[in-house]
Amino acid sequence: DGGITQSPKYLFRKEGQNVTLSCEQNLNHDAMYWYRQDPGQGLRLIYYSQIVNDFQKGDIAEGYSVSREKKESFPLTVTSAQKNPTAFYLCASSVDSGANGYTFGSGTRLTVV
Amino acid sequence: GQSLEQPSEVTAVEGAIVQINCTYQTSGFYGLSWYQQHDGGAPTFLSYNGLDGLEETGRFSSFLSRSDSYGYLLLQELQMKDSASYFCAVNTGTASKLTFGTGTRLQVTL
Repeated sequence: DGGITQSPKYLFRKEGQNVTLSCEQNLNHDAMYWYRQDPGQGLRLIYYSQIVNDFQKGDIAEGYSVSREKKESFPLTVTSAQKNPTAFYLCASSVDSGANGYTFGSGTRLTVV
Repeated sequence: GQSLEQPSEVTAVEGAIVQINCTYQTSGFYGLSWYQQHDGGAPTFLSYNGLDGLEETGRFSSFLSRSDSYGYLLLQELQMKDSASYFCAVNTGTASKLTFGTGTRLQVTL
C-alpha cells in the first residue's frame, strides 16, 4: 500500500543537538511538506518542496533545514538554533492541494530534555 | 498575511447535526479544504471546495461562499468516532501549500 512513513515516532533531543526526522513516501507525489503542530494549535508550515533538488521556506523555517535529493525522501533537520523545538512534526505529500488533498505521515513527537 | 478563524470547541449529541464554520482572510484563494485529526494521530483529508456551493461526501458536507470568505463543514448523524479536531485550510495558490486554521475540537456525547 502506498503511503508516507515518518520515523522515529518519538524522539528526545538534548539542548544543543541537531536531530533529523525522516519522511519517505511511495505515492509518487512531487510535492512534499513539513508542518509543526503545538498542543491545541493548528499546523504551521516549516518547509516545502515541489520538485527534487528544490525547496522553499515556509512560515517558520528558522532553526530548521531540509534536503530533497530523491523524490521519495524529504528529511527535516532540527538544528540547535531552533529555540523551542518540542512539538509534533508532520510530513505530508500531495499531487495537488485541491481535490485530492494532502496525505500525512503519522508524525514524529520531538521532546527536548 | 493569512488568517483563518474557526471556533475552538463544539459539543454535540450522538445522532445530531453539527456545523463548523471557517472564515478566512488571505492574499489569494484557490480553494478551502477540511481535515480531521484524532488525538495523537495524523490529519486526514475530508473535503475540498474550489467553487461556491455545497459538496457532499457521505455524512459530511462542505460549503463555500467566496464572496463572504466563508465556509463550513457539516457533519450529520454524528457518531462517537467523529470526536476529533477539524481544521479548515486554504490554498492560496502558491505552490499548492496550505495554510491551516487553529482547529475546532468536536466532542460527541451520548
